[in-house]
Amino acid sequence: GDSVTQTEGPVTVSESESLIINCTYSATSIAYPNLFWYVRYPGEGLQLLLKVITAGQKGSSRGFEATYNKETTSFHLQKASVQESDSAVYYCALGAGNYAQGLTFGLGTRVSVFP
Amino acid sequence: GGIITQTPKFLIGQEGQKLTLKCQQNFNHDTMYWYRQDSGKGLRLIYYSITENDLQKGDLSEGYDASREKKSSFSLTVTSAQKNEMAVFLCASRGDSYEQYFGPGTRLTVL
Repeated sequence: GDSVTQTEGPVTVSESESLIINCTYSATSIAYPNLFWYVRYPGEGLQLLLKVITAGQKGSSRGFEATYNKETTSFHLQKASVQESDSAVYYCALGAGNYAQGLTFGLGTRVSVFP
Repeated sequence: GGIITQTPKFLIGQEGQKLTLKCQQNFNHDTMYWYRQDSGKGLRLIYYSITENDLQKGDLSEGYDASREKKSSFSLTVTSAQKNEMAVFLCASRGDSYEQYFGPGTRLTVL
């Protein structure tokens, strides 16, 4: 079946430092799945951060970027300079095969940014 | 824009009890989902529905029933709650570009 593996947390980083959360995927039902990053801020629900549905393309939102790399089957999330407000749990997700079916999620990476 | 609401926010039940969770969306999306998330784990699909009155089982459907009587609502029933069960149940609907929008969740505790 399909699977997503991401950086195991928790990750602690100081404000203004860079952040990278690794995500690799395995899609057995489709060659080019849709890829997503979701985020859950403290006390809030799960929300879409960014998405990329075309291999080779880059998505960006709120200063975060992720590039869909089909050669390495990766979709790493990066931010050059984090802020305390970026403290959250980040989930990488894959949509493949029958698009009506649910997304396949990674286990999540908890990020804490300290001033 | 739209919103997904889930009720109740917290649900406490007794072992063996039948419990129902409700979800409403005003995106006018066709496809809706129920996921379960256990502490420290990813989301696992319980049921999904591609249209009114349609129900499709996910990987975790055993022990659950679902109902989609209207396009805007999707209910999940825990048929017999298990003692010490604790999880968050998330409802979602699917947008045009395959992304999913999530509700705030229902946190279940079984005593």
